[in-house]
Amino acid sequence: GIQVEQSPPDLILQEGANSTLRCNFSDSVNNLQWFHQNPWGQLINLFYIPSGTKQNGRLSATTVATERYSLLYISSSQTTDSGVYFCAVADYGQNFVFGPGTRLSVLP
Amino acid sequence: EAEVAQSPRYKITEKSQAVAFWCDPISGHATLYWYRQILGQGPELLVQFQDESVVDDSQLPKDRFSAERLKGVDSTLKIQPAELGDSAMYLCASSKVGLVYNEQFFGPGTRLTVL
Repeated sequence: GIQVEQSPPDLILQEGANSTLRCNFSDSVNNLQWFHQNPWGQLINLFYIPSGTKQNGRLSATTVATERYSLLYISSSQTTDSGVYFCAVADYGQNFVFGPGTRLSVLP
Repeated sequence: EAEVAQSPRYKITEKSQAVAFWCDPISGHATLYWYRQILGQGPELLVQFQDESVVDDSQLPKDRFSAERLKGVDSTLKIQPAELGDSAMYLCASSKVGLVYNEQFFGPGTRLTVL
């Protein structure tokens, strides 16, 4: 099955800093989502982005499907951005696989 | 705004007991997923339904876990008997049918503790 890697595993930032999170996957996909898991465990949809670039406020994402990676950019980070960020991919059989996550801590 | 509903939010049980979790997907979403998330790891797919049919249950421990979606709407996941290693967050998600667009939306989860 598809393998998903995320880097870095942990990231500590000062409030106001920018960051880039990376997701690498081992095979062709037709579905890629980025999620933010809050401290209560809820998975919040950030982007549905199997290819291309999208932006939503301070967050943006780019997926280069031919090179099998996706990037999540967080600008001007805030303490409320803390939590775990997951990348999830699915192949044409729609079998979803999650990466191990990047744990982000934003310090005031 | 439509949401995926799950209950209970928290469950504490003793090993060898039976537990059941309920999920109500977003209205109109034909695909329903159950995931298990162990602390510190990403969610792992247990079972996927398309309407009332199981599409993928290859990671479901069938000796103790069962899942059903009898009318193709809400779903129940059962564990019998529960073991200590089953302590985890159980997440339900749903999505519309579609090979091109298939964005998942998650419920709040059920946090299970087995003593």
